[in-house]
Amino acid sequence: EDQVTQSPEALRLQEGESSSLNCSYTVSGLRGLFWYRQDPGKGPEFLFTLYSAGEEKEKERLKATLTKKESFLHITAPKPEDSATYLCAVQMFRDNYGQNFVFGPGTRLSVLP
Amino acid sequence: GAVVSQHPSRVICKSGTSVKIECRSLDFQATTMFWYRQFPKQSLMLMATSNEGSKATYEQGVEKDKFLINHASLTLSTLTVTSAHPEDSSFYICSAKQGAGDTQYFGPGTRLTVL
Repeated sequence: EDQVTQSPEALRLQEGESSSLNCSYTVSGLRGLFWYRQDPGKGPEFLFTLYSAGEEKEKERLKATLTKKESFLHITAPKPEDSATYLCAVQMFRDNYGQNFVFGPGTRLSVLP
Repeated sequence: GAVVSQHPSRVICKSGTSVKIECRSLDFQATTMFWYRQFPKQSLMLMATSNEGSKATYEQGVEKDKFLINHASLTLSTLTVTSAHPEDSSFYICSAKQGAGDTQYFGPGTRLTVL
């Protein structure tokens, strides 16, 4: 069964304390892996797309990496405004596009000043 | 670019009534739009995929007669919750795919409360 998990469930960091969030997946045929940020009461905001193992993407304090089994979202020197829930989603090769996009449960990040 | 809007942002209705939620792609044409539901502290669950000009594809367990989806144009999809009940109260989020790309861009969501 296709599965996407994220760890930790919640993470509290001090401002400037770097860390990594994990997204592990077990799917049949990865087409792409997506990272989103979601603030409370709002829709997810697109961050990165990764397509192949070894690929890396960076944006400000965030860097996403991908292996054959998992993806990491590295946060360098976080600031309080980085506090949010970070979601990963996996897209698989399927005939029916609509059934091939699965979200993980998310990691709630809190960055304390 | 790639902005998606939803209307309304919040709606409160009585049990048994119907509610329509609009999803618009503001600066691009979206051949495919998606509707998700999100319960508190849970992740997004795909309800259905909407393709312009054709019938929506619903995920297993989602009642197509209760959640009516119409994708009338390349920039507008609507979700109508018919005969709403308190258990339908949730956060409904749409997303749109731009052209042949894989990335989905999400709207801000609609908070539905059924009394």
